[in-house]
Amino acid sequence: SQQGEEDPQALSIQEGENATMNCSYKTSINNLQWYRQNSGRGLVHLILIRSNEREKHSGRLRVTLDTSKKSSSLLITASRAADTASYFCATEGNSKLTFGKGITLSVRP
Amino acid sequence: NAGVMQNPRHLVRRRGQEARLRCSPMKGHSHVYWYRQLPEEGLKFMVYLQKENIIDESGMPKERFSAEFPKEGPSILRIQQVVRGDSAAYFCASSPFDNTEAFFGQGTRLTVV
Repeated sequence: SQQGEEDPQALSIQEGENATMNCSYKTSINNLQWYRQNSGRGLVHLILIRSNEREKHSGRLRVTLDTSKKSSSLLITASRAADTASYFCATEGNSKLTFGKGITLSVRP
Repeated sequence: NAGVMQNPRHLVRRRGQEARLRCSPMKGHSHVYWYRQLPEEGLKFMVYLQKENIIDESGMPKERFSAEFPKEGPSILRIQQVVRGDSAAYFCASSPFDNTEAFFGQGTRLTVV
């Protein structure tokens, strides 16, 4: 069964705006990770947040984790056209990653 | 340090043939994972291997699919007697140990005709 569920399924914003993507999950986790995938390519790891962490930053990325609500959010600030891609959250538990179906982000120049 | 290497990048097989997908993990990584991605879908876990051992194959179809990670050489995902429904992108990932980020290869796109 799918563990991570991303929301929204698709997001279209103007360059320079912020993009917020959400992920909910069902069972307990060791960590939650966000990945990016450009069309027809492999996945690129963006950021990992452990279950005992609440917030993490990496460049223009900010991720939060609320284990009581079993949810996470990924914020991309000052978006660029090059951020256009699919974004996946993945929960890690029992030594395997379980992915959601992804969010398609389009950043209009 | 080269990334995770998968080959071939594209593979076309006729129904009933065998498909062999190879994955060389990053240097120093002993954990390998295989995932399948259908068009417009997320990645579905198939199997988790460490050197010479299958740790978790709960996502692997019971028939026609097998995976190995020998002491020497790449990990192999083998699909026997392929059917059209096997057409997908197959991704391999590796990590040095548990509870860390996984690094993904570029995938093998299998097309069954």
